[in-house]
Amino acid sequence: DAKTTQPPSMDCAEGRAANLPCNHSTISGNEYVYWYRQIHSQGPQYIIHGLKNNETNEMASLIITEDRKSSTLILPHATLRDTAVYYCIVRVRSSNTGKLIFGQGTTLQVKP
Amino acid sequence: DGGITQSPKYLFRKEGQNVTLSCEQNLNHDAMYWYRQDPGQGLRLIYYSQIVNDFQKGDIAEGYSVSREKKESFPLTVTSAQKNPTAFYLCASSIPDRVLGYTFGSGTRLTVV
Repeated sequence: DAKTTQPPSMDCAEGRAANLPCNHSTISGNEYVYWYRQIHSQGPQYIIHGLKNNETNEMASLIITEDRKSSTLILPHATLRDTAVYYCIVRVRSSNTGKLIFGQGTTLQVKP
Repeated sequence: DGGITQSPKYLFRKEGQNVTLSCEQNLNHDAMYWYRQDPGQGLRLIYYSQIVNDFQKGDIAEGYSVSREKKESFPLTVTSAQKNPTAFYLCASSIPDRVLGYTFGSGTRLTVV
């Protein structure tokens, strides 16, 4: 599975959009981009995933560049409850080996 | 509601004692996993099981043991051979090739004194 690079921390004002970048320059053609988040002392929570196209669900939007070497997770109206560590992971969808390589993620601090 | 239950949430043990962490899921997922998380770090895979009565070592299996006698249960034993057992332990489950990925439990914080 490809490795990812994320900034260690970011701040965002409450009510504004939070844009979290992720670089995955060695991504393979059959690897998906997944985003999870972990609120302090809880288990990670799935947010969204994508392969090539931009994706949107009730939690967030995922923008993947045309060359697929980077992506951005967008929380359109961040709230204080969105304060968490956000992990960008790339992996083959059918993989069942459990090797979710989380890295250190981006700590997002939403401020009032 | 379906989910993964880890118990207890906090666990204290004396050095040299073995301790077993519980993980139960009612999601009918085939695969289950154990991760360890240290402060400020990402998750590291300890063991995983793709099917009942079968399990594989992850990246940091030394000092740990598991069993998978039932589909719903995947207990993790932290043995006295684990040199730095104090950590946050997370259990997860999944169905192969499902887009929603993994479901995680709420974790067990183990402190060895």
